[in-house]
Amino acid sequence: GAGVSQSPRYKVAKRGQDVALRCDPISGHVSLFWYQQALGQGPEFLTYFQNEAQLDKSGLPSDRFFAERPEGSVSTLKIQRTQQEDSAVYLCASSLAGPMTDTQYFGPGTRLTVL
Amino acid sequence: QKEVEQDPGPLSVPEGAIVSLNCTYSNSAFQYFMWYRQYSRKGPELLMYTYSSGNKEDGRFTAQVDKSSKYISLFIRDSQPSDSATYLCAARGGSNYKLTFGKGTLLTVNP
Repeated sequence: GAGVSQSPRYKVAKRGQDVALRCDPISGHVSLFWYQQALGQGPEFLTYFQNEAQLDKSGLPSDRFFAERPEGSVSTLKIQRTQQEDSAVYLCASSLAGPMTDTQYFGPGTRLTVL
Repeated sequence: QKEVEQDPGPLSVPEGAIVSLNCTYSNSAFQYFMWYRQYSRKGPELLMYTYSSGNKEDGRFTAQVDKSSKYISLFIRDSQPSDSATYLCAARGGSNYKLTFGKGTLLTVNP
């Protein structure tokens, strides 16, 4: 079956540009997570959705970062006025039901480079 | 100090060797411990999932957790070139869904 997909796989932006990163979770998965993985580091939590509700956005590094999941399936992570420190791989993960009990399945990530 | 510490390596071993990968953690609230494998340009893939202390074995992989010393280990027996990847340890609390990852250890198994 299809796993988590993310698009684009690679994105180059000039500093100050806005970007939008898309995540298609596994069909039927209720929980969706975004992580940021800087070069040579492990993923760091950004935000969590249960269906369309964003229950936790404590990991978003600044108010330039915004995520949505309006219909409880596809999610978009938007970064406004990109800065060089935003360069990283952005990973999306989904899990079937409860975030406490179910395995998080990761997508391949979007590699963002800000010049 | 990060809550989960992991030596980034790199670690290079010959095919067939036993590999030992380790992490330490500082948050006593962590109850669930995971090992993910991440191939280059791919997302992390769950390998092992352990609750509290003890051992768990799955084929050539064994995960160990020692909560008294806050130490997490992954052993790979009869390592294969296809095991070459970055291995990430992760942990979370019982009532917290956020995964806290180590930096990852880059492993190369040479044929």
